[in-house]
Amino acid sequence: GAVVSQHPSRVICKSGTSVKIECRSLDFQATTMFWYRQFPKQSLMLMATSNEGSKATYEQGVEKDKFLINHASLTLSTLTVTSAHPEDSSFYICSARVSGLAGGMEETQYFGPGTRLLVL
Amino acid sequence: GQNIDQPTEMTATEGAIVQINCTYQTSGFNGLFWYQQHAGEAPTFLSYNVLDGLEEKGRFSSFLSRSKGYSYLLLKELQMKDSASYLCAVMDSNYQLIWGAGTKLIIKP
Repeated sequence: GAVVSQHPSRVICKSGTSVKIECRSLDFQATTMFWYRQFPKQSLMLMATSNEGSKATYEQGVEKDKFLINHASLTLSTLTVTSAHPEDSSFYICSARVSGLAGGMEETQYFGPGTRLLVL
Repeated sequence: GQNIDQPTEMTATEGAIVQINCTYQTSGFNGLFWYQQHAGEAPTFLSYNVLDGLEEKGRFSSFLSRSKGYSYLLLKELQMKDSASYLCAVMDSNYQLIWGAGTKLIIKP
């Protein structure tokens, strides 16, 4: 299946600093990538949809100035958590949409391994 | 509104069979996905159904009935490593994934 990488896997930072998370599709081109966050024992929460070459679409309640998303190429999207605070501590997961695969699995999303962020 | 329902937790015995149900009400339908998520890890893709019927893939099978808004994931010959959360997700008319809360599956020896 399609491979998505995410870096870093884990980051600890001080309150007020910014953290950048990278999401890469390794063996395919992804015109659309998604950013999720997941709190312990809860389901995935979509934060934003990232389209290559255009502005990201943010879900209601997600601050676009705090969670900066850049999708500069077909294989890379970045999420920057600006001025991070302890309440931003969470598990951030990206996924990439694979379209047009044989077998009818169009629009399948494949996930990166996730980034665990801890803000002190 | 859009809604995905699945049991919160299930317990099964190693070697047995378990069926995890998922019912949905969404604005439009462009397929139903099942993902497996081990604790502390990201989800991994298991199956995709867009037409009614059963899709079999090794020990895992997924069934869909669009008229009933219903799907199930069937796991056979359960192994301890199958202990995980199983997430049901439906792709709506905007190609957005609507997620269920997940079913935590506990496998006992």
